[in-house]
Amino acid sequence: ETGVTQSPTHLIKTRGQQVTLRCSSQSGHNTVSWYQQALGQGPQFIFQYYREEENGRGNFPPRFSGLQFPNYSSELNVNALELDDSALYLCASSPGLGTNEKLFFGSGTQLSVL
Amino acid sequence: GQQLNQSPQSMFIQEGEDVSMNCTSSSIFNTWLWYKQDPGEGPVLLIALYKAGELTSNGRLTAQFGITRKDSFLNISASIPSDVGIYFCAGLGTSYDKVIFGPGTSLSVIP
Repeated sequence: ETGVTQSPTHLIKTRGQQVTLRCSSQSGHNTVSWYQQALGQGPQFIFQYYREEENGRGNFPPRFSGLQFPNYSSELNVNALELDDSALYLCASSPGLGTNEKLFFGSGTQLSVL
Repeated sequence: GQQLNQSPQSMFIQEGEDVSMNCTSSSIFNTWLWYKQDPGEGPVLLIALYKAGELTSNGRLTAQFGITRKDSFLNISASIPSDVGIYFCAGLGTSYDKVIFGPGTSLSVIP
């Protein structure tokens, strides 16, 4: 059984650029959630994907977008990067819709925006 | 919106000591979760609580779901160096709701 894997582990971008982060869900999990964790804070919910559709979104602007693929893997895209987007981006998978108490997190992608 | 507060923000203890930390909410949750995050890793679920008043243990860890449903407590007994990390409480209304995290309690264990 493979866990949640994220790539890349670290990324440095400049303000205004675009970035794509990738996540492979744990075996048997079909739901993926993305979280942003700023330094010294708890994770903040960005959005969740189920059956390739967005299922719930936190308080993030539209320049944060996502995709889920038929194999349940997912991408997080951020356009027009801002300095405040610097954070650890965490992907979590769960067995299905309505199982958010069973989130399994990846190790995250550390994004630095200069 | 819903907000969680954790105390203490950080703590330094001697190896072998017991640890207590708590989490309070501005609103009611139906499920409380406790996670631990090691440096460079994602949070790992330690304990899940589903009923008001519930007391659940996982090895040296014990957590309680407050009767008011607005708070939860985590205790660690006989701390060891590998207990070092950041402990997050989290709550959700239903299993379909987003998980809301607290700001974390940083634990350091002095050998």
